[in-house]
Amino acid sequence: DTAVSQTPKYLVTQMGNDKSIKCEQNLGHDTMYWYKQDSKKFLKIMFSYNNKELIINETVPNRFSPKSPDKAHLNLHINSLELGDSAVYFCASSQGGSGPYEQYFGPGTRLTVT
Amino acid sequence: GENVEQHPSTLSVQEGDSAVIKCTYSDSASNYFPWYKQELGKRPQLIIDIRSNVGEKKDQRIAVTLNKTAKHFSLHITETQPEDSAVYFCAASSYKLSFGAGTTVTVRA
Repeated sequence: DTAVSQTPKYLVTQMGNDKSIKCEQNLGHDTMYWYKQDSKKFLKIMFSYNNKELIINETVPNRFSPKSPDKAHLNLHINSLELGDSAVYFCASSQGGSGPYEQYFGPGTRLTVT
Repeated sequence: GENVEQHPSTLSVQEGDSAVIKCTYSDSASNYFPWYKQELGKRPQLIIDIRSNVGEKKDQRIAVTLNKTAKHFSLHITETQPEDSAVYFCAASSYKLSFGAGTTVTVRA
């Protein structure tokens, strides 16, 4: 009974390709996030959506475009992949409202760009 | 924006000893301070959190202290066990979570 799930778990692709990562949560949460964890394990927020509305957009290249079709899903599309995009991408979710609240992380997607 | 510094970056302790990790933050508006544990190849998972209206919180072998005046907070793990070996992240939040760089804890049997 997975709370936050991501697909795929691993993604190996070549530079210049376009790829998508999908995330779903069944916790009934209003807020979802994308984080990037680099090779030094540093976790940095990229985007946050609350009820399908973008509320946090960090300084991320325009090649990254999140999409939230409904509040249970937050997908990440990456255009023109570069070597530096190689990382583990985590989706997370939390309650909405006047938090902040605990964030629940998905299992991660390890992206390798060759 | 918020800047969270975490020390030490690595920590090796003998099983049964205590481990302490310290973090400082810069944004006085931050009001939520969670600690996450990440085992190798796994997702970060919350182990304890504290809000700005509380100075200390304990959950079995884990405790967190917060000093809002000095803008620092600490994680204490007592009676460490091999399964405590992991990377630990502190974080501070006003409107978004900002993470520290992580501490790799190794518990020697």
